[in-house]
Amino acid sequence: DTEVTQTPKHLVMGMTNKKSLKCEQHMGHRAMYWYKQKAKKPPELMFVYSYEKLSINESVPSRFSPECPNSSLLNLHLHALQPEDSALYLCASSPVGGLGNTIYFGEGSWLTVV
Amino acid sequence: SQQGEEDPQALSIQEGENATMNCSYKTSINNLQWYRQNSGRGLVHLILIRSNEREKHSGRLRVTLDTSKKSSSLLITASRAADTASYFCAPGTSYGKLTFGQGTILTVHP
Repeated sequence: DTEVTQTPKHLVMGMTNKKSLKCEQHMGHRAMYWYKQKAKKPPELMFVYSYEKLSINESVPSRFSPECPNSSLLNLHLHALQPEDSALYLCASSPVGGLGNTIYFGEGSWLTVV
Repeated sequence: SQQGEEDPQALSIQEGENATMNCSYKTSINNLQWYRQNSGRGLVHLILIRSNEREKHSGRLRVTLDTSKKSSSLLITASRAADTASYFCAPGTSYGKLTFGQGTILTVHP
């Protein structure tokens, strides 16, 4: 069982809606990640937070807005999405830095944009 | 970071048989990780092998790493129907940024 918890598991939103995906971990990890996965494709990195600061943004459109309120929480705010943004959004966490740390994933949030 | 390339793209075997998946990458790494993903679920970490290691075992899993050939393999012995999943390799650097290959879809028939 994963120790990274994501809510909601499923979300349907209209293109004019504003919604948020939430992620929580209690493993004391100081790096947290958002990945996006389309059907039959590998996960693609979106954002990395290190010590609650955004360290990597993989040129993600501004309609996706990440937030890391504290070391245990990671949010992904969604606004004015397009149907092609429908995907599985995966949150993950890991210890910071080091010589290759295991990244632990949540079960994901299925997003459908209508 | 860099992306691994898994081979084969799909593998279909009978329960009890062994399954071997391969991963190739392009530049130097300091570790390589393997993950499993059941359909529609999150990724589960299987094993991490560091660049100074040649082989690692975990239960029915055996991972090898050949840095001279820039390749790794994942062997699942005595496969079970529950092993049916997609398997991804992720060559890693010290920066904690994993990039996944296209994966191998393993189907184990009862």
